[in-house]
Formats: sequence, C-alpha cells, structure tokens
Amino acid sequence: EAGVAQSPRYKIIEKRQSVAFWCNPISGHATLYWYQQILGQGPKLLIQFQNNGVVDDSQLPKDRFSAERLKGVDSTLKIQPAKLEDSAVYLCASSFNGGASTDTQYFGPGTRLTVL
Amino acid sequence: AQSVSQHNHHVILSEAASLELGCNYSYGGTVNLFWYVQYPGQHLQLLLKYFSGDPLVKGIKGFEAEFIKSKFSFNLRKPSVQWSDTAEYFCAVLTNAGKSTFGDGTTLTVKP
Repeated sequence: EAGVAQSPRYKIIEKRQSVAFWCNPISGHATLYWYQQILGQGPKLLIQFQNNGVVDDSQLPKDRFSAERLKGVDSTLKIQPAKLEDSAVYLCASSFNGGASTDTQYFGPGTRLTVL
Repeated sequence: AQSVSQHNHHVILSEAASLELGCNYSYGGTVNLFWYVQYPGQHLQLLLKYFSGDPLVKGIKGFEAEFIKSKFSFNLRKPSVQWSDTAEYFCAVLTNAGKSTFGDGTTLTVKP
C-alpha cells in the first residue's frame, strides 16, 4: 500500500513570496490533515478535510494560508505571502474515516520550508 | 480547548534501562489517546493507541501505555530499551469531535 505522498520535500523562499505544497493521501482515505511542525514543537493542526469539505480550520491563519482539496483526493496548502515565522515542516496525514475517533493517522514525509 | 503536556523534553538512557515517558492531557470529554514515534529520517508512525476497554495498551516493539482517567495521563513504558529506540515520541489526543492535538514531543537517546 502506497503511503502519503508530499512534494516538494524542501523549499527555501524569501519572505513575502508565495509557496504551495501538495499532498496525495492514501487511496480511499476520506480524511486529510495538514499540520505545521515548528522546530522543537509537536505538530499543530492547521486544517482537516473530510472528503472535500472542511471539518476544522480554526488554527489556520486565513489571512495568508489557504488550502483546498478538490475532488476529495489530493490537497494543496498555500502560503501567500510568507513570513519568517512560517519556517517549519508541513506535514500531511490521512485517515480512513476521521469521523471515527479511533482512526489512525498516516503521515507523509513532510515539506521543510525555510523562509529567509 | 484541549492540550497535551509531555513533561520530559529529552531523555537519555543506557541500553537495557527501563523507560517511562509522561503524557498528560486536559479535556473534559471522551478522548482517544495515541503515541506516535519518529525515528531519525523517517515519517511519524503509530506506536500504540487507546480508545476503550483495557486501559493497559500494548504496541509495537515492546512498548505499552496505561490510561489513567483520574489522572488524565497516558504514560508510555518499555521495560528494557534498545539503541534502536532512539527517536522522538509524541503523545496525541483525539476528541470524540475529531479534534487532534499533539504534545511537543520527547527526544529519547539510548546509549549503546
């Protein structure tokens, strides 16, 4: 079974530039999560999709971050414009049915973003 | 809002020593509890989880965790660690509303 795919793996940009990350979840997984992990901290949930609908985006800085999950499969997370404090690893995870709280989340390798 | 606290930021042990990593959470409702592990250069992966029944949960590689509801705790244990257990360990809570919160992690270094 293929795992969660993410690209790019690394990205370096200047502040005020834009960046986009892509995630392909495990086939058949209805729920997709985007996390931000700042060095020395645990993953912080940014947004959670159930199929192509948003379940929770309460911690997403909506003035600069946006995410979409067209057709309920792949997802993109965008930052525009980036700030220095956005430097982090962006993790994508998926689960079979996030509505069942016993679900296990499967994580991708992450995208390491450095904002200069 | 729920929160997860992992008290030990960095733990250093010798091989064969016993391990206990603390995890406490704050949330008034029903929760499901997870421990994830990230080995150097690898993805986060599930170590074990608790959602109901026996509060003592066994996971992969000889790890276990005990849910103590009265203490809001879900500590991770292993009787005898190996060098290959060197990794970062994250405790996570998933509420019955589907909201996920992670602790800040504990880095475990096992000396050969």
